This record gives sequence, structure tokens and C-alpha cells, in this order.
Amino acid sequence: ETGVTQTPRHLVMGMTNKKSLKCEQHLGHNAMYWYKQSAKKPLELMFVYNFKEQTENNSVPSRFSPECPNSSHLFLHLHTLQPEDSALYLCASSQVGDNSPLHFGNGTRLTVT
Amino acid sequence: GDSVTQMEGPVTLSEEAFLTINCTYTATGYPSLFWYVQYPGEGLQLLLKATKADDKGSNKGFEATYRKETTSFHLEKGSVQVSDSAVYFCALSDNNAGNMLTFGGGTRLMVKP
Repeated sequence: ETGVTQTPRHLVMGMTNKKSLKCEQHLGHNAMYWYKQSAKKPLELMFVYNFKEQTENNSVPSRFSPECPNSSHLFLHLHTLQPEDSALYLCASSQVGDNSPLHFGNGTRLTVT
Repeated sequence: GDSVTQMEGPVTLSEEAFLTINCTYTATGYPSLFWYVQYPGEGLQLLLKATKADDKGSNKGFEATYRKETTSFHLEKGSVQVSDSAVYFCALSDNNAGNMLTFGGGTRLMVKP
């Protein structure tokens, strides 16, 4: 069983909808991440939070809005998405510090219609 | 910038065959190197890691050696099983950038009975 839980597992939304992805980690970690996994492309780092503070925004469009209310929870708020945003969105957590391995959730499969 | 290059898949093997998945990297400084595995419908799991030159990471019969002179971190297993069928990702962590990972494109392995 993964220590990182993502909900929902699958999401279909129209381009005018607003939805949120949720991630919760039970590992006592203090860093959390959002990655995007698209077919035939390398994993793309989107956002990093260390101790609830955003430390990385990898040129992500503003239609993706992250929120980290505490070290255990991470959200990705979605609005006015495009079909090319359809992908698997993976949440991960780790301890802050070099070489600390990332623990991933099972992802949310997002389809934008 | 940092980059990771993996052999393109899919790699199809028969059970008990020898596996090699090539990985080379480009990085400034002295990165740590990782292999992650993604089973169908799941997130990524850390398989093994190496933090300095000539280190060998190993786990579940898989191993990889950090070769600084050839900037490589090839994954090997002496005898694959059907249960090893998954996508394998090589990644690096630039020790000057905390634990943010740069991933390769992934290599799908299919093992047939």
C-alpha cells in the first residue's frame, strides 16, 4: 500500500469546468511535488513545496493552481483546461534534503474533453 | 541543463533472459542516480540508487553501477520474470538542486512466459 494517496483515480472534465486533485501523504515527509506524465514524453516536474512553501514552479500555465495547506496535503486546482492537458498527474513526497527518494502516489488520470 | 537518455522500448524478453536497459546522463557537478519502476496502473517506485562514482545500487535482483567516466547507469538483471513487466525510469538528482529529479523517457519491459 502506497503511503501517498491520490484522489480521484480518474477524472473527466470539460474545458470550462473547475476541478481539484487531492494528494495526501502518511509518511511524515516535508516536501511534496506534482508531476505530469504524458504519453511518449518524460515526466515533467510542475511544482515543489518544501515545508509548505512553494519552491519551484516549472513554467506551468496559470490554469493549474497548486495549494499546500500543510505538509501532509497537496492540491492541484484546475480550471479552463485544454485537451492537451490530458495526462496522468502524479503526486510525490520526500524528506527535504539531497538524495532523499521520492514516494509517488498512483496518480490521477485526467481527460479533458 | 541536466538530462537523462534511455534506450527506447519496448524491450521484449522471454522469462529467465538477461536484461540490460541503457541509461546515460548529462549533468553539472556530481549527481545522484536512480532507477524507478512503474507497474501498470500505479505510480513510480524507487528500485535502486547510487550516490557517487563506482557505487553499485541493487534491489530485487536488479543492479546498476554509477560510471562517471562513461556518464552511464545501465540497469541489469540476470534472469527476468513475468512480474518484472513494467516501465523503468532512469533519473538523476543534481546535488545542487536538492532532491528534484530529472527523468529519462522511460523504457517499457515486457517479459513473456
